[in-house]
Amino acid sequence: DVVMTQSPLSLPVTLGQPASISCRSSQSLVYGDGDTLVHWFQQRPGQSPRRLIYKVFKRESGVPDRFSASGSGTDFTLKISRVEADDVGVYYCLQGAHWPYTFGQGTKLEIK
Amino acid sequence: ELKLVESGGGLVQPGGSLRLSCAASEFTFSQYWMHWVRQAPGEGLVWVARIDNYGSFTGYVDSVRGRFTISRDNARNTLYLQMNSLRVEDTGIYYCANFGFDWNDADWGQGTLVTVSS
Repeated sequence: DVVMTQSPLSLPVTLGQPASISCRSSQSLVYGDGDTLVHWFQQRPGQSPRRLIYKVFKRESGVPDRFSASGSGTDFTLKISRVEADDVGVYYCLQGAHWPYTFGQGTKLEIK
Repeated sequence: ELKLVESGGGLVQPGGSLRLSCAASEFTFSQYWMHWVRQAPGEGLVWVARIDNYGSFTGYVDSVRGRFTISRDNARNTLYLQMNSLRVEDTGIYYCANFGFDWNDADWGQGTLVTVSS
């Protein structure tokens, strides 16, 4: 199975400061049609996961532009330009290129 | 707005069975692949199973293959997960999810809690 390794696993951030989460995959995530199938999810406490970013960098409708993502090959990054209180939760990367699809371990973002 | 509502969770003894359901509405259910994802208490997300839009192709993570069966009834707009030979480690919230065509959408239900304990 493809292993998705996130870092850090815990991310204390001061309000208004930037945050960055890294995700590395154990193999290429380029699918047959040329798309790279890496997605980012946010899970707030007590809620279902919500996708923020799909196919490496595409922001979901309604997601603030404070969230951005990039990457290629096996290295991917999610960035929050200015952390707000509403951003508290766990963030997961997901690969959808190889079955079984696999998530990273999760990065818990908290406010300092 | 697309809606997915899971049901069927509960407390079951090790070795027992449960059938989860996911009722879909406000989209053309029969056109999309569907998925089950689970989350053990305090843990991360694990993809459990997937099924094509016709119900003829399925896939399972190794830990549930041979014990779980994903199926669907397109006439009833409902996704199922039959879980047999349940183990303590199967405990968690089970979510159904739809990712549209080519991962261009992402919708999750609210989840249903399965507890396997004696």
